[in-house]
Amino acid sequence: ETGVTQTPRHLVMGMTNKKSLKCEQHLGHNAMYWYKQSAKKPLELMFVYSLEERVENNSVPSRFSPECPNSSHLFLHLHTLQPEDSALYLCASSHELVGQGNTGELFFGEGSRLTVL
Amino acid sequence: TQLLEQSPQFLSIQEGENLTVYCNSSSVFSSLQWYRQEPGEGPVLLVTVVTGGEVKKLKRLTFQFGDARKDSSLHITAAQPGDTGLYLCAGDSGGGADGLTFGKGTHLIIQP
Repeated sequence: ETGVTQTPRHLVMGMTNKKSLKCEQHLGHNAMYWYKQSAKKPLELMFVYSLEERVENNSVPSRFSPECPNSSHLFLHLHTLQPEDSALYLCASSHELVGQGNTGELFFGEGSRLTVL
Repeated sequence: TQLLEQSPQFLSIQEGENLTVYCNSSSVFSSLQWYRQEPGEGPVLLVTVVTGGEVKKLKRLTFQFGDARKDSSLHITAAQPGDTGLYLCAGDSGGGADGLTFGKGTHLIIQP
């Protein structure tokens, strides 16, 4: 496999469920990201990891919990979500951290489409 | 908070026509990127522009970075149905581990 792989592609869950999104990158990158994509809104950066250490948490509600066990894997644990959390969750990776003037490229997965009932 | 405004939000044109979409901000960016996202896929990088006034060409796509590095445009010549997608601009403020600032995107449909 190559690139960034996300599973599941689609997820429907109730507000009391606990589920997890998984992301795996086969590019040897050092940084990984979770973005939320909602209709009519810009991509929202949720979490950033560099070399398995969290470096950014943009005031994301605690019902979203990230985990980065190694540089190739990133999880987003979900619990007691709200209907407004329904969105496309995109995982991305980059060789080094972007946003620091290094003109790096983000490589995105295909996303996990989440629906909260 | 830095914002990137993209216009138009939606554009539907016939195959063979030319078009320009815009990405504007009141903030200065050290670089700006354009991504294209097709339905059911993640965004894919098209180009990165770094220098004010820079122009880059990718086949029928021409990208320009404003002189003040606050805005950018994407011009497509002789649009084809394969150009259909969501075009996102993303800016790098260069100031920290904030990832990239994205615009809302322009939804482009090229009708055969």
